[in-house]
Amino acid sequence: AIWMTQSPSLLSASTGDRVTISCRMSQGISSYLAWYQQKPGKAPELLIYAASTLQSGVPSRFSGSGSGTDFTLTISCLQSEDFATYYCQQYYSFPPTFGQGTKVEIK
Amino acid sequence: QVQLQESGPGLVKPSQTLSLTCTVSGGSISSGSYYWSWIRQPAGKGLEWIGRIYTSGSTNYNPSLKSRVTISVDTSKNQFSLKLSSVTAADTAVYYCAREPYYDSSGRPGYYFDYWGQGTLVTVSS
Repeated sequence: AIWMTQSPSLLSASTGDRVTISCRMSQGISSYLAWYQQKPGKAPELLIYAASTLQSGVPSRFSGSGSGTDFTLTISCLQSEDFATYYCQQYYSFPPTFGQGTKVEIK
Repeated sequence: QVQLQESGPGLVKPSQTLSLTCTVSGGSISSGSYYWSWIRQPAGKGLEWIGRIYTSGSTNYNPSLKSRVTISVDTSKNQFSLKLSSVTAADTAVYYCAREPYYDSSGRPGYYFDYWGQGTLVTVSS
């Protein structure tokens, strides 16, 4: 099984900040990684797939990078609607698995 | 715009079978380009993939749940269903249905989840 380490688990930031979230794999997964945003009481929403491809309709302030074992989600200019929990998900190895989540809260 | 909607009992007794249905609208479940999955999330915790089904009826299950899970599809109703047997309190969670593209926009395997239902809370309690 592939172990996923997402960090930090909690991130305090202000509107306008640039924030980065890391997802590290125990073994290489090429670019088979997705990122999701989840707001309280709502289903997760797909932001990025294939490590860096922005899902249709997702604002361009979101970007993803990385391949192999180290991946990053970047929000270039944090907006009020971006305060949420973010999850990475690998789909290289069966079964697909999710990171533990990063909660982005208002500083 | 594809929409998914979970339905089923919100309360299940321990040792009984949890049964949920996901109704797909805005697209055909038989399109052949997607898998259809179930994912769950205990309160305050992370996401766990349960299993998936293809329009042909072929299934894959998470090894951690495989002995208790059955996923089926009814293409005539544009629905797929989850059964989880011998439930305990540990199975209390929000259950989501979701769509998995077979391939992404570049033609590579796309086993991520691009559309989700709103989720339904299932509580296991006597």
